[in-house]
Amino acid sequence: RKEVEQDPGPFNVPEGATVAFNCTYSNSASQSFFWYRQDCRKEPKLLMSVYSSGNEDGRFTAQLNRASQYISLLIRDSKLSDSATYLCVVNVYNDMRFGAGTRLTVKP
Amino acid sequence: GAVVSQHPSRVICKSGTSVKIECRSLDFQATTMFWYRQFPKQSLMLMATSNEGSKATYEQGVEKDKFLINHASLTLSTLTVTSAHPEDSSFYICSAIPGTQGPQRGYTFGSGTRLTVV
Repeated sequence: RKEVEQDPGPFNVPEGATVAFNCTYSNSASQSFFWYRQDCRKEPKLLMSVYSSGNEDGRFTAQLNRASQYISLLIRDSKLSDSATYLCVVNVYNDMRFGAGTRLTVKP
Repeated sequence: GAVVSQHPSRVICKSGTSVKIECRSLDFQATTMFWYRQFPKQSLMLMATSNEGSKATYEQGVEKDKFLINHASLTLSTLTVTSAHPEDSSFYICSAIPGTQGPQRGYTFGSGTRLTVV
């Protein structure tokens, strides 16, 4: 079983749609959690950290369920510029482990 | 914000030659830097952890004699791909934890190096 698993997609949605990504992790000792965004042929950039209480940043909402070892990212009112690959990242004892990413394409 | 500078951004080399990639933390000290490799449509895979003043720690399956890592200062780590072959063609990215904020705040990545071995 992979340490961090994501649905690879692709997710093709129209502008304005709401889309949700899920991620599961295998190591219960995981300490911190993140969503990164990676554009084609570019480095990953931190989108947001994920906290147990859930957190929101504008159109983006992240949730963490430690009992189920599950992380989610919700994007509301999708924009064309949201098109990218979204990486679920889990930190285990200072080791960052990446999911394979979920590809999102937002279409006009 | 914290910046990690990676150079070169793109390199094409002949099979059998060596290529050096530099990763610099511009406005913070990084005792630890990380080197990743990403093949097309795949996730980032940690290759090694670079520690200032000591030997790097390599992930299982990564040849330390082929991927030489030097972390001679608190702001510079280098990865040298020795005797490169076409199968080494990939996107190499470094990262570091900015300052004292700790891993709970995520890592900062360099802009990556696209290596093509012909």
